[in-house]
Amino acid sequence: AQSVTQLGSHVSVSEGALVLLRCNYSSSVPPYLFWYVQYPNQGLQLLLKYTSAATLVKGINDFEAEFKKSETSFHLTKPSAHMSDAAEYFCAVSETGDDKIIFGKGTRLHILP
Amino acid sequence: DAGITQSPRHKVTETGTPVTLRCHQTENHRYMYWYRQDPGHGLRLIHYSYGVKDTDKGEVSDGYSVSRSKTEDFLLTLESATSSQTSVYFCAISAGSNQPQHFGDGTRLSIL
Repeated sequence: AQSVTQLGSHVSVSEGALVLLRCNYSSSVPPYLFWYVQYPNQGLQLLLKYTSAATLVKGINDFEAEFKKSETSFHLTKPSAHMSDAAEYFCAVSETGDDKIIFGKGTRLHILP
Repeated sequence: DAGITQSPRHKVTETGTPVTLRCHQTENHRYMYWYRQDPGHGLRLIHYSYGVKDTDKGEVSDGYSVSRSKTEDFLLTLESATSSQTSVYFCAISAGSNQPQHFGDGTRLSIL
């Protein structure tokens, strides 16, 4: 069965610094991978998705993620953090043909001025 | 933004009462999902639907039932609410297997 582990329930970075949010997955078949962002009192919004077309996936707001099969990882990065990036981020996995998506427990990103 | 409306947005009720939450979509998507979100647990799937009258259980389905009599509406019912069901409930929709899910704005439910 597939699963997702997000390392660090809270991550703090300074404004302008690199953002790195870690995600490792477990899947017995080629996975579909997603990153979502949740702002306070809102639902989740899709940031980006990996569907095997390319290992480096670009998303909205300059976020990107790289699929590394050998490391079973799909880490999310952004070159320069903005105050508006403060939110909770969820990594998610879906196995080929599965109707369901499994979400990680989330990482709350804090941006320090 | 995907056309998803959850109602009500907030509800406070008492233990033992029935509660129904509604999710309405205007995207004509086949799949609809109900999740609950609790601190430290992320999102957990309660039930989902893969078509009209076709539903299946998720990982935390006990105490919940669902119905989908038409494509656009997916109802979540707590037959007899308990305090452990206090949570934020999210509806999501998807066009198909392995497709991204799009979320509503949530319903904050408090059971006293």
